[in-house]
Amino acid sequence: AQTVTQSQPEMSVQEAETVTLSCTYDTSESDYYLFWYKQPPSRQMILVIRQEAYKQQNATENRFSVNFQKAAKSFSLKISDSQLGDAAMYFCAYRSAGGNTGKLIFGQGTTLQVKP
Amino acid sequence: GAVVSQHPSRVICKSGTSVKIECRSLDFQATTMFWYRQFPKQSLMLMATSNEGSKATYEQGVEKDKFLINHASLTLSTLTVTSAHPEDSSFYICSARTSGRAFTGELFFGEGSRLTVL
Repeated sequence: AQTVTQSQPEMSVQEAETVTLSCTYDTSESDYYLFWYKQPPSRQMILVIRQEAYKQQNATENRFSVNFQKAAKSFSLKISDSQLGDAAMYFCAYRSAGGNTGKLIFGQGTTLQVKP
Repeated sequence: GAVVSQHPSRVICKSGTSVKIECRSLDFQATTMFWYRQFPKQSLMLMATSNEGSKATYEQGVEKDKFLINHASLTLSTLTVTSAHPEDSSFYICSARTSGRAFTGELFFGEGSRLTVL
């Protein structure tokens, strides 16, 4: 079975600085998707960024980028120029590319505090 | 982007009663919907996968007679917590995927429903 591990329960960053959230996963599959979701206090899940395992290039979305190391099964999220609105709980998630369900497996989450 | 709506957002009920939570895909057809449960400051735990027109597939440890899931149409799935008890109090979140060639890999999440059982 696939597992996702986030070893940092809490992180803090100064506004305008850069922070990296860690995520590792375990799978025997070769084709899959990885995601980072943001959950602000409203509890609405928001997709931050996604990465297809077959792509070597790291995904980037504005201030958000990932460092995808497939061999090491590592998928970290870098937030540049942190803003107060980035404060939230962040979840790393895994989804198999095969099969028909598309269910997500989530990590434990990392609570990010942004200090003004 | 695709919109998923959950209702109610908050519900308080007495122990022993049943509560129904609805999950609707507003602008797309969702062949598959997922129900998650989340305790405070914890991760989302998948409860079941709901496919339109067929029985839901429950994750290990989830009581299917306790958490009834119905996916009667391509835009609506319901979760009914039967004979609710205080330990069922939690935040329940649904998500949905598009179907066929429209499936981009992304799941769309509802706003969540907070259940409090007194």
